[in-house]
Amino acid sequence: VHLVESGGGLVPPGGSRRLSCVASGFSFDDFAMHWVRQAPGKGLEWVSGTKWNSRVKDYADFVKGRFTIFRDNAKNSLYLQMNSLEIEDTALYYCAKDVGLGNDEKFAMDVWGLGTMVTVSS
Amino acid sequence: QSALTQPRSVSGSPGQSVTIYCAGTDVDIGGSDRVSWYQKPPDKDPKLIIFDVTKRPSGVPDRFSGSRSGNTASLTISGLQGDDEADYYCCAYGGSFSLVFGGGTKLTVL
Repeated sequence: VHLVESGGGLVPPGGSRRLSCVASGFSFDDFAMHWVRQAPGKGLEWVSGTKWNSRVKDYADFVKGRFTIFRDNAKNSLYLQMNSLEIEDTALYYCAKDVGLGNDEKFAMDVWGLGTMVTVSS
Repeated sequence: QSALTQPRSVSGSPGQSVTIYCAGTDVDIGGSDRVSWYQKPPDKDPKLIIFDVTKRPSGVPDRFSGSRSGNTASLTISGLQGDDEADYYCCAYGGSFSLVFGGGTKLTVL
């Protein structure tokens, strides 16, 4: 069971970036998925989550209106489109799988990727 | 979506027990059974150790236990070992498909 994130890098303030997460070893389309980040020297922060069928999504207040989560179950992939990036968005971004199957989300994450680093700087 | 409140640090000697508290509100910690805990050693990925307040994923030793009283959740680690040294985070469902984490607690094994 693996999650592999990609798409991080150096981005100027106000810029955009799309993160990707490819899943393997489990039925991706059976599980809700989440993005969680950790800024350097700081704690974990939940960023966004999506239901298995994309019908429900939500965002942390600090990214609402700037970030969009979406998934392509046919490609076993989760994405995070990040626009209007701010210096405070600098962080390691993790993709994580929900424990619960289907509509029984547990809102707990049992599989994590290694993360992809996003640095927002001029 | 205010962060849950955890102590910045706790410590204990090998073999002892420590408890980490996580304070929230009746919207998050007190609002549902979707309370979880994560262990994060430095430079490693987070590991789920408790979900649904008290449940342990397969492979997590029973030295780790979770509980809740009102709007405060707690994680107890008994029989402390050196490799328990890590940051610990609580997390709770905040409604409307959102989650909120605590600020994290650094556990030092003396």
